[in-house]
Amino acid sequence: DAGVTQSPTHLIKTRGQQVTLRCSPKSGHDTVSWYQQALGQGPQFIFQYYEEEERQRGNFPDRFSGHQFPNYSSELNVNALLLGDSALYLCASSLDSGQGPHEQYFGPGTRLTVT
Amino acid sequence: AQSVSQHNHHVILSEAASLELGCNYSYGGTVNLFWYVQYPGQHLQLLLKYFSGDPLVKGIKGFEAEFIKSKFSFNLRKPSVQWSDTAEYFCAVTPYLTDKLIFGTGTRLQVFP
Repeated sequence: DAGVTQSPTHLIKTRGQQVTLRCSPKSGHDTVSWYQQALGQGPQFIFQYYEEEERQRGNFPDRFSGHQFPNYSSELNVNALLLGDSALYLCASSLDSGQGPHEQYFGPGTRLTVT
Repeated sequence: AQSVSQHNHHVILSEAASLELGCNYSYGGTVNLFWYVQYPGQHLQLLLKYFSGDPLVKGIKGFEAEFIKSKFSFNLRKPSVQWSDTAEYFCAVTPYLTDKLIFGTGTRLQVFP
């Protein structure tokens, strides 16, 4: 039973560039959430996708956008990268079995460095 | 704004010592509570969770946590730690009927043999 997978593992980008991170949820899961974890901090919620739509969003600018595909996999896109976007980006998946709460399973993360 | 505070940033213990990590949250409504653990080189894993019912919850590897609603706290405990418990521990909450996990800043636990 495959867990949550993310690609790439590491990424180095230059300020102003755009980046796309990918996530495949745990088998049987239909909901994907994205988190940003800066060094020495806890993860911060970016947004959640369910049924190919953004369902909840945290306090992140519009430069952060996402997409969910019919197979439930998801992408996180960040435009106009800033140095402060350097962080570990975590994907978490869950099964929407109706009214919450739902247990989230995390992937290994993508380490993004912006220079 | 909703927030989670973990007062212990770095804890150092010897094997067999008892552990208690503090967690307090600020949110006026119903919450769901979680402790996650991140072992060195591994991804975040769920240690235990509280949704409702008995406020004393037991998790994996001998950990337990107690929800005290009047104190807005959800402290993590283990009677006797092992070297393999060396990890970063995160307390998190989700406001009722949302999946938006709000994490604390984490506590780094080092256990020496």
